[in-house]
Amino acid sequence: DVKVTQSSRYLVKRTGEKVFLECVQDMDHENMFWYRQDPGLGLRLIYFSYDVKMKEKGDIPEGYSVSREKKERFSLILESASTNQTSMYLCASSPSRGRGGDETQYFGPGTRLLVL
Amino acid sequence: GESVGLHLPTLSVQEGDNSIINCAYSNSASDYFIWYKQESGKGPQFIIDIRSNMDKRQGQRVTVLLNKTVKHLSLQIAATQPGDSAVYFCAENIQGGSEKLVFGKGTKLTVNP
Repeated sequence: DVKVTQSSRYLVKRTGEKVFLECVQDMDHENMFWYRQDPGLGLRLIYFSYDVKMKEKGDIPEGYSVSREKKERFSLILESASTNQTSMYLCASSPSRGRGGDETQYFGPGTRLLVL
Repeated sequence: GESVGLHLPTLSVQEGDNSIINCAYSNSASDYFIWYKQESGKGPQFIIDIRSNMDKRQGQRVTVLLNKTVKHLSLQIAATQPGDSAVYFCAENIQGGSEKLVFGKGTKLTVNP
């Protein structure tokens, strides 16, 4: 079974703090994704990565950055947290289509972040 | 706007009944569709998928139907159980496009005992 883990289930931070959200997958997937999920807005893609050290902006990258130094780990960074970044953050991974994989994404349990 | 949407935001059924959750998509180039289940406080969980060269696929108690003519996708759950209560949402991928998915906003299914 694919396992995607996220470093924290719940996190409380103060405005202006730098926040790191970590995601690790154990299935040797090439693709990794960060989403935020808000009521009424569904899943919105922040950033994704299709290889080590590669990243692409998603639909809402403003205020976020990412790091992919190792294949299994994809980090989301809030450089200076703001209250409008209070949300549920979900990480996902998928195998590369070029390896014969489909586009199914496997999700972690989520991190609920509260910025005060 | 999003190309994947929902007909109903909430659905309430009696335990033992069959449930049907609908999803409309607007991009005729989409060739791969997935249904996810998300329980409260958890991440989305893969249920079933279907490619555009099929119109029906069955899993354990679940069936996905694809109608490409009207760009409509549905998830049928047989003999719905309380453990099926969750938010269900569909996702699509566009043939030849990136490996990103476009997600619908979800339907909340409540199963009454």
